[in-house]
Amino acid sequence: KQEVTQIPAALSVPEGENLVLNCSFTDSAIYNLQWFRQDPGKGLTSLLLIQSSQREQTSGRLNASLDKSSGRSTLYIAASQPGDSATYLCAVGDTGNQFYFGTGTSLTVIP
Amino acid sequence: DAGVTQSPTHLIKTRGQQVTLRCSPKSGHDTVSWYQQALGQGPQFIFQYYEEEERQRGNFPDRFSGHQFPNYSSELNVNALLLGDSALYLCASSATGTGANVLTFGAGSRLTVL
Repeated sequence: KQEVTQIPAALSVPEGENLVLNCSFTDSAIYNLQWFRQDPGKGLTSLLLIQSSQREQTSGRLNASLDKSSGRSTLYIAASQPGDSATYLCAVGDTGNQFYFGTGTSLTVIP
Repeated sequence: DAGVTQSPTHLIKTRGQQVTLRCSPKSGHDTVSWYQQALGQGPQFIFQYYEEEERQRGNFPDRFSGHQFPNYSSELNVNALLLGDSALYLCASSATGTGANVLTFGAGSRLTVL
C-alpha cells in the first residue's frame, strides 16, 4: 500500500521568504502526483499536477518537482505572502483511480 | 461554470442513524470519487463511480455505499453511523479519458456523529 509522508507538519515563515515543502512516497509506480491547498474547513484546491513522465511543473510563484526513483516531490513557494497561509497536501495517484494523500503541511506566513 | 457542488454542508446525526450525502460533478466530468477526511488527517479514498458503477473501492466497510446517476451526480450513504464516522466528506470529479486524472474537489460535507 502506498504511504505518503509530508515534512514538516507545520511551518511558520516571515513574509517574502522562499520555502520548500517536502513529500515522500513509498511506491515509485505512480501515475501522477498532485499538490493541493486546503483552507481551514474548506475543500481542496488543485495547485499543480505532475505526470509520472515529468520532472517538474510551474505555476506563478509555485514550482513542484518529482523524483520518482527516490520517491520524493517538493513544492517550492517563492516570495511567500500572508495569503499563502493554508495547509498544503500532496497526493499520489496510482495506475488505477485512487489518490493517496499525506497529512499535509500547515503553513503560516507572518506579515 | 459551477465546480463540484456538495450538499448538505453540515449535518449532525446520532449513532446508529443513516446519512446520505450528495454531489454534483463539474460540468464535463463523468467520474466521481468520494474521500473521508478526519480532523488533522489527509483525505482517504472511499470509492469511485464511473458509468453508474463502483469502479474502485478503498478500505472502508460495507456500511459505506454509493450510487451514480445518469447525469453523473452521485450519493454517498453511510449506515449504522459510528462516532468515528465524524469527518469532512469530500467529493471529487474528473473526466475519464483525458489522461490527466485531474481531480476537482467540492467544499465538502461536514458530518458530526453524536
